[in-house]
Amino acid sequence: GAGVSQTPSNKVTEKGKYVELRCDPISGHTALYWYRQSLGQGPEFLIYFQGTGAADDSGLPNDRFFAVRPEGSVSTLKIQRTERGDSAVYLCASSLNPPGLRETQYFGPGTRLLVL
Amino acid sequence: EDKVVQSPLSLVVHEGDTVTLNCSYEVTNFRSLLWYKQEKKAPTFLFMLTSSGIEKKSGRLSSILDKKELFSILNITATQTGDSAIYLCAVSSGGSNYKLTFGKGTLLTVNP
Repeated sequence: GAGVSQTPSNKVTEKGKYVELRCDPISGHTALYWYRQSLGQGPEFLIYFQGTGAADDSGLPNDRFFAVRPEGSVSTLKIQRTERGDSAVYLCASSLNPPGLRETQYFGPGTRLLVL
Repeated sequence: EDKVVQSPLSLVVHEGDTVTLNCSYEVTNFRSLLWYKQEKKAPTFLFMLTSSGIEKKSGRLSSILDKKELFSILNITATQTGDSAIYLCAVSSGGSNYKLTFGKGTLLTVNP
């Protein structure tokens, strides 16, 4: 079956603009996660959804960042008033069930965001 | 704050060599340690380790966890050029298992 998909693959925008990044999790996966990976770093946790609700958004860097998952499947990460420091690869992952001891997160190919 | 440190940060070897990648961690209430391979952008899952001393093996790759000394190693034998990638170590901890804390990764380059 299909894996996690993310669109667009690449996004170039200007400072101050608004962007939306989309994630389609693996079919049937109830848990969805967003991470951000800067150059030379490992992914950093942003937000976790269980179903439609954000169970933990403690990793969102500030109130310019917001994410939704209205129907419990597709999720959109929204960034307002983008800044150059927001440039990174935004990774989405999903897992089958609510996180458990042996649950594995499967990652999508990411969206590379460049803010000029 | 949870911390995961990987070494070396980069490594260049020739095809056929054996490599060992290291991951040490400091976390509160450890749950599991995971290894991922990242080519281009998407990290792909390799292993999940929860118990000390039990080796996980998949083909030429193997990994083991030491919960007393707080580290894990990933071994790759008879390396091939297709093994060239960033290898990421991550730990889940605390009251939930959803938040993975990653190391910076090891960039492995296998030359023909």
